[in-house]
Amino acid sequence: AQTVTQSQPEMSVQEAETVTLSCTYDTSESDYYLFWYKQPPSRQMILVIRQEAYKQQNATENRFSVNFQKAAKSFSLKISDSQLGDAAMYFCAYRSVTDSNYQLIWGAGTKLIIKP
Amino acid sequence: EAQVTQNPRYLITVTGKKLTVTCSQNMNHEYMSWYRQDPGLGLRQIYYSMNVEVTDKGDVPEGYKVSRKEKRNFPLILESPSPNQTSLYFCASSLYGSSGANVLTFGAGSRLTVL
Repeated sequence: AQTVTQSQPEMSVQEAETVTLSCTYDTSESDYYLFWYKQPPSRQMILVIRQEAYKQQNATENRFSVNFQKAAKSFSLKISDSQLGDAAMYFCAYRSVTDSNYQLIWGAGTKLIIKP
Repeated sequence: EAQVTQNPRYLITVTGKKLTVTCSQNMNHEYMSWYRQDPGLGLRQIYYSMNVEVTDKGDVPEGYKVSRKEKRNFPLILESPSPNQTSLYFCASSLYGSSGANVLTFGAGSRLTVL
C-alpha cells in the first residue's frame, strides 16, 4: 500500500522569505500523481500544485514550485516570497493512475506559520 | 459557480441519533467521495461513487452508509453515531475517466461532534 509522510508537523518563515515543505512517499508504481493542497483556517481544501510522475519537469504555479525527485520518492513544495495569506496547513497527497477508486492518499500535514 | 455544497457545516449530536450529511455538486461530475480528517492522520476515504447507483468502500467505511440515487447528490449517513466519529468531513467530486489527473473539487467541510 502507498504511504505519504510529511515529517515536519510545523514550519515557520519570515514574511517575504522562502520556505520548503517536505514530503516523501512510498509506492511500487511507476506512474502516479502527486498533489499539494492548502487548508487555511476556513478549512476549505485548495489545490496548490500537482505533478504527474511521468513528467520530469518540476511543476510551477506562480510563487509555488515543487522539487520532484522520483528515484528518491520525494516531492517538496517551495514557497517563494512568503505572504501572510500563505499561513495554512499544507497536505501532500498521492494518487495512483491504476486504482479505479481515484483515492487520494494523504500525509498528516504541515502547519505553516508566517511571521510578519 | 461550480461548487460542492455540504450541509450542515457544523453539527453537535448525541450517541445513537441518526444523522445525514448532504453533499451536492453542480458540475455534472461522475465521481464523488467522502473523506474524514483527523489531527495527525490527514484525510482518509470513507466511501466513493463512480456514478449513479455505483458505490464502494474506502479505507474507513465502518459506521457509515452512502447512497447515489442521483448524479448530483451523495449523502453520508451515520445510522448510530459514536464519539469516535467526531471529525471533520469532506465531500469531493471530479470527472471520471482517463483524461489525466482529474482534480477533486472539495466541499467546505462539515464539523461533526458526537457526545
